[in-house]
Amino acid sequence: DAGVIQSPRHEVTEMGQEVTLRCKPISGHNSLFWYRQTMMRGLELLIYFNNNVPIDDSGMPEDRFSAKMPNASFSTLKIQPSEPRDSAVYFCASKRQGYDTEAFFGQGTRLTVV
Amino acid sequence: AQTVTQSQPEMSVQEAETVTLSCTYDTSESNYYLFWYKQPPSRQMILVIRQEAYKQQNATENRFSVNFQKAAKSFSLKISDSQLGDTAMYFCAFQSSSGGGADGLTFGKGTHLIIQP
Repeated sequence: DAGVIQSPRHEVTEMGQEVTLRCKPISGHNSLFWYRQTMMRGLELLIYFNNNVPIDDSGMPEDRFSAKMPNASFSTLKIQPSEPRDSAVYFCASKRQGYDTEAFFGQGTRLTVV
Repeated sequence: AQTVTQSQPEMSVQEAETVTLSCTYDTSESNYYLFWYKQPPSRQMILVIRQEAYKQQNATENRFSVNFQKAAKSFSLKISDSQLGDTAMYFCAFQSSSGGGADGLTFGKGTHLIIQP
């Protein structure tokens, strides 16, 4: 398997623009997670899905952030409108169900909002 | 809610030395998983080692081992015979068992480990 695939690797956008980050989890994994990494706050869990259903989005910082998982092989994280403070690395991770299973991370998307 | 604390923002050791990274956590749960992840400059998150709270034996993976003290809520990582490729950020992470593992990881702020030649 190719692992968790995120696109794009890098994104530079202007303040106010809509940004969409994409994630393809590992086939057979039914839990998917979106994390944000910043110097100030470290790695934070934004939202997670189980069997394509959003379970907990309490980590989503504002209503400007939204995430979807229309099927088992695709998820998006959208920021609209984007702001400079959204600049961060966004990671997607997936795992099989069970608390003893390993989460595999994608390469991350580095987002810069200018 | 669980919290994970890594008190060493940065550490530097000479190649071939042994180094120990500290991690403490706070939880009211009795069973859970703890992890150490490595993040090299490539940004990829790589699982180094994991420990189930119910297992008393400390986990080992080649040059990496942990010292798990459940009562003290401490989970340190020891790297023996350190190599230049060990230079990276290291994150301690907590996985609750209460959600069946479907909920996410809680991470510490990380320790930047530098291995000097």
